[in-house]
Amino acid sequence: GENVGLHLPTLSVQEGDNSIINCAYSNSASDYFIWYKQESGKGPQFIIDIRSNMDKRQGQRVTVLLNKTVKHLSLQIAATQPGDSAVYFCAENGSNAGNMLTFGGGTRLMVKP
Amino acid sequence: DTEVTQTPKHLVMGMTNKKSLKCEQHMGHRAMYWYKQKAKKPPELMFVYSYEKLSINESVPSRFSPECPNSSLLNLHLHALQPEDSALYLCASSQDRDNTEAFFGQGTRLTVV
Repeated sequence: GENVGLHLPTLSVQEGDNSIINCAYSNSASDYFIWYKQESGKGPQFIIDIRSNMDKRQGQRVTVLLNKTVKHLSLQIAATQPGDSAVYFCAENGSNAGNMLTFGGGTRLMVKP
Repeated sequence: DTEVTQTPKHLVMGMTNKKSLKCEQHMGHRAMYWYKQKAKKPPELMFVYSYEKLSINESVPSRFSPECPNSSLLNLHLHALQPEDSALYLCASSQDRDNTEAFFGQGTRLTVV
């Protein structure tokens, strides 16, 4: 079946550097994408979303880029801080009949002080 | 209030026990969800309620029984679970089923012994 997946299971960055977390999806019908952050022992926390009619969206210190041609999504975090350490999931809505969110495999971001 | 509240936070139950997980939101959201998350895996959708009616059951075994008493509450009744059902159970809500920005609770960590 079609799925959402991530290229890198673990990403280690130095505090203050920029982080880029990647996600590949395979369903061309997907038109809504979300990035979630999940800290240990907590539920997923919404970070930023993007619809397929856009290719870039910016938030506070975060930017999501969508490349529909190659079905690729990325999350950029500027000036990464220790509090950014968490598992990051991308999710999309095109992989099931009900347009419910399907989560990718997750990337663990570790920020070194 | 932008919280989804889940109780209990932790639950240990035997395979012959009956227990219930509870979820509450006061954001006026009309769609509520149960997800199951195993360690180091992404959340997997179990059930979707839309306007207090079950709209999606992702082939979940009958030992899991959802209930939506009103628009603010969602329960998950558990009976005769297996050790492999041990996981983090996440509740989420969204404004409606087609508005896919979902807010998650902190989860109930369930251990079946």
